Amino acid sequence: KNEVEQSPQNLTAQEGEFITINCSYSVGISALHWLQQHPGGGIVSLFMLSSGKKKHGRLIATINIQEKHSSLHITASHPRDSAVYICAALRDSNYQLIWGAGTKLIIKP
Amino acid sequence: DAGITQSPRHKVTETGTPVTLRCHQTENHRYMYWYRQDPGHGLRLIHYSYGVKDTDKGEVSDGYSVSRSKTEDFLLTLESATSSQTSVYFCAITPSFGYGYTFGSGTRLTVV
Repeated sequence: KNEVEQSPQNLTAQEGEFITINCSYSVGISALHWLQQHPGGGIVSLFMLSSGKKKHGRLIATINIQEKHSSLHITASHPRDSAVYICAALRDSNYQLIWGAGTKLIIKP
Repeated sequence: DAGITQSPRHKVTETGTPVTLRCHQTENHRYMYWYRQDPGHGLRLIHYSYGVKDTDKGEVSDGYSVSRSKTEDFLLTLESATSSQTSVYFCAITPSFGYGYTFGSGTRLTVV
C-alpha cells in the first residue's frame, strides 16, 4: 500500500462545479504539499500546510492531522484549472517527500 | 527570470551511452533535487544535494550519479543509459530541506 494515496485518479467536471481532491497518508508528517502540473509539464507549488486550512483565490486546502487526510477544493472551476494535482507528504522522520500519484482533472466548458 | 532552468529540454540517446542533465539555479538555494516522473508513479527522488560537494542518494539512485561543484549547478549523469531510464526528469530547489519547492521545466529523456 502506498504511503500517500490520492483520490480520485481522474476527475471530469463541468465548468463552475465545486471540485474536491483527496489525499490520505499513513506516515507521520511535518507538512503536506499540494502541487499542480499543467499539460505542458511544469510543476507549481500551490500550498504547504501543517494544520488547518489555507486559501488562495479559488483554491482551498485543508488538512486533518488526526485523520491523516487532506483535501484540495476548487470553487467555480474553470477549464484553465485542468491539470494534474499532486499531494506530497513531508515525512517527519527524515524530511523526505512522499509523493502521491496525482489526480488528473479536466474541466469542460 | 525562471530562477531554475534545466537543459536539455529533450534528448534522445542510445542504450549504453553516458548522458548528463544540467540544473542551474539563480536563487542561491542550498538544496537541489533530481526526480524522475513515470506514468503510474509519483515523482521519485534520485539524488539530492545539501551544499557544494554534499550529495545523498534518494530512493531510485541506481544507475545515476550527481555532482555539485557550484551552488548554482547540479548535474545528473546516467553512467550507461538503459531503456528503463526513459523518463521525464525534474530538478527542484528549496531554501530549506523539504520546504518551498521550485521546479524546473523538466527534461524528457528517451533511451533507444
